[in-house]
Amino acid sequence: DTEVTQTPKHLVMGMTNKKSLKCEQHMGHRAMYWYKQKAKKPPELMFVYSYEKLSINESVPSRFSPECPNSSLLNLHLHALQPEDSALYLCASSQETGGSTDTQYFGPGTRLTVL
Amino acid sequence: GEDVEQSLFLSVREGDSSVINCTYTDSSSTYLYWYKQEPGAGLQLLTYIFSNMDMKQDQRLTVLLNKKDKHLSLRIADTQTGDSAIYFCAEESAAGNKLTFGGGTRVLVKP
Repeated sequence: DTEVTQTPKHLVMGMTNKKSLKCEQHMGHRAMYWYKQKAKKPPELMFVYSYEKLSINESVPSRFSPECPNSSLLNLHLHALQPEDSALYLCASSQETGGSTDTQYFGPGTRLTVL
Repeated sequence: GEDVEQSLFLSVREGDSSVINCTYTDSSSTYLYWYKQEPGAGLQLLTYIFSNMDMKQDQRLTVLLNKKDKHLSLRIADTQTGDSAIYFCAEESAAGNKLTFGGGTRVLVKP
């Protein structure tokens, strides 16, 4: 089983709203990732959690706040977003083998629209 | 720095072979990946190759790696309409945890 699930599939929010994106995996992976993907572009890395600790933050604005409550769950809390933040948000996970390939498996994404 | 480049578009007839090309710059890359993305969907891992290999075959997929020229290709044999999608190559940094993606190649399979 190489499944990463994400909820919701679609989200529409206003610029003053607070919402959260959720990601879950049950593969025993210890690294989890958030990516942002604009139309016709490749995914851009936002955050990496390794063993439930934030290990990479790619200079993402503070209106995006990641959280890793346990090794299976990853959240992305959204507050005071801008219309340009509208995108497909992808979650991924990997084993975190620290030596050999660390293949990332992606979820289906959440399509976010900020009005 | 790392840079991964792909051609934008490929059109192919059903039943023919498709070849998608990718060039990268980071000579310390350990693994190189191919992902497929259908409209509105996430990325599906197709295959990957370790940097000390020059070829890997997996059913209809053949990956060729020329490490000297930093050139990677994905060949899809007997291309089907279901293969229409965007294909991304990606390199994994030596430090791990970071993938650098190419811009994606849109493949259109015509009946």
